Amino acid sequence: KAGVTQTPRYLIKTRGQQVTLSCSPISGHRSVSWYQQTPGQGLQFLFEYFSETQRNKGNFPGRFSGRQFSNSRSEMNVSTLELGDSALYLCASSLEANVGQRDFGPGTRLTVL
Amino acid sequence: AQSVSQHNHHVILSEAASLELGCNYSYGGTVNLFWYVQYPGQHLQLLLKYFSGDPLVKGIKGFEAEFIKSKFSFNLRKPSVQWSDTAEYFCAVNAGNQFYFGTGTSLTVIP
Repeated sequence: KAGVTQTPRYLIKTRGQQVTLSCSPISGHRSVSWYQQTPGQGLQFLFEYFSETQRNKGNFPGRFSGRQFSNSRSEMNVSTLELGDSALYLCASSLEANVGQRDFGPGTRLTVL
Repeated sequence: AQSVSQHNHHVILSEAASLELGCNYSYGGTVNLFWYVQYPGQHLQLLLKYFSGDPLVKGIKGFEAEFIKSKFSFNLRKPSVQWSDTAEYFCAVNAGNQFYFGTGTSLTVIP
């Protein structure tokens, strides 16, 4: 089966801009979660969506938002970008929310200049 | 707050050496435990998982991990590492309605 796909794979933006990242889960998976990966912080949980509803949210400012569509695809938006937002953004899908393993996508490398 | 601790941030081993990476978590209830690996330039892959039953779980590529409930630990082991095991290793805990990751351990295996 096809894995989790994320687009775009690489992105360069400048401070103050906004960005939208996309994630398509594994077919049949209804839960999508997002993580920010940086060298010093490891993987930090952003939020999780299930059946188009946000189920959990990490400790990130309101500039970070997301949504999930009826086909389980998810988008993540970051507004008013800051230099510190430069990171690898990982999307993971799972069959259900809260339980079980996550299958990860390759990530989107965001660089903010 | 719940947390996952990986005490070894960077480990360097020679080929054929034995590996043990520590993982401790802080959560008193039922947990599901995972080890993920991220090879250079690749995405996170599941190495092994523990949900219930035998606390010694075997994963892919010769890795195994032991869940010790009394110590809140889930250490990863491999008897003999190879150069191809060079990667970043992440411990993860599914506790309550959250999924927590450790900060990762970078393993470098010298041929």
